[in-house]
Amino acid sequence: DTEVTQTPKHLVMGMTNKKSLKCEQHMGHRAMYWYKQKAKKPPELMFVYSYEKLSINESVPSRFSPECPNSSLLNLHLHALQPEDSALYLCASSWTDSGNTIYFGEGSWLTVV
Amino acid sequence: GESVGLHLPTLSVQEGDNSIINCAYSNSASDYFIWYKQESGKGPQFIIDIRSNMDKRQGQRVTVLLNKTVKHLSLQIAATQPGDSAVYFCAEYRGGADGLTFGKGTHLIIQP
Repeated sequence: DTEVTQTPKHLVMGMTNKKSLKCEQHMGHRAMYWYKQKAKKPPELMFVYSYEKLSINESVPSRFSPECPNSSLLNLHLHALQPEDSALYLCASSWTDSGNTIYFGEGSWLTVV
Repeated sequence: GESVGLHLPTLSVQEGDNSIINCAYSNSASDYFIWYKQESGKGPQFIIDIRSNMDKRQGQRVTVLLNKTVKHLSLQIAATQPGDSAVYFCAEYRGGADGLTFGKGTHLIIQP
């Protein structure tokens, strides 16, 4: 079983709402990630945090705002999303951000209406 | 066993047969590769990994082969079982502080 925990598992939000996805790991990993996955497609990298600092932002629109409050927690704040943002959002972690196995959570299914 | 071409979206095998899933990677500088299994409605699950200084690595019922000359990776599953039904992704690490880049995935279907 994955040791990366994501909440909520399912989220439906309107285009004017503000919501957050949360992720937690207690493996002592110092790198954490957000990926987006559309149906029948591979996961696509959104953000990388290394030692609680944002190291990679893959040209993600500003309506997605990541936050890393501490080494165990990772949030993704959502505001003014579009229906095409509906997807599975995956959190992951690894020991460091260079060449270590990345472990994924079960994801949060987001539907924007 | 059954060998398939690259990036076939679906592979159908008989229960008990061996499965071979292939993947081509793009960057010759990639030095670490991982195979993930993703069941319906779940996140990707780590299966096995291999570094570029190796050609082969074995796990429980799974073997990964790496051919750096042609930038090709394969996953072999022995004695395929119904629980192996899933989408399988290869992923490559290109070095530095990048995350993983995933291949397109292959849906493995097990026939009784």
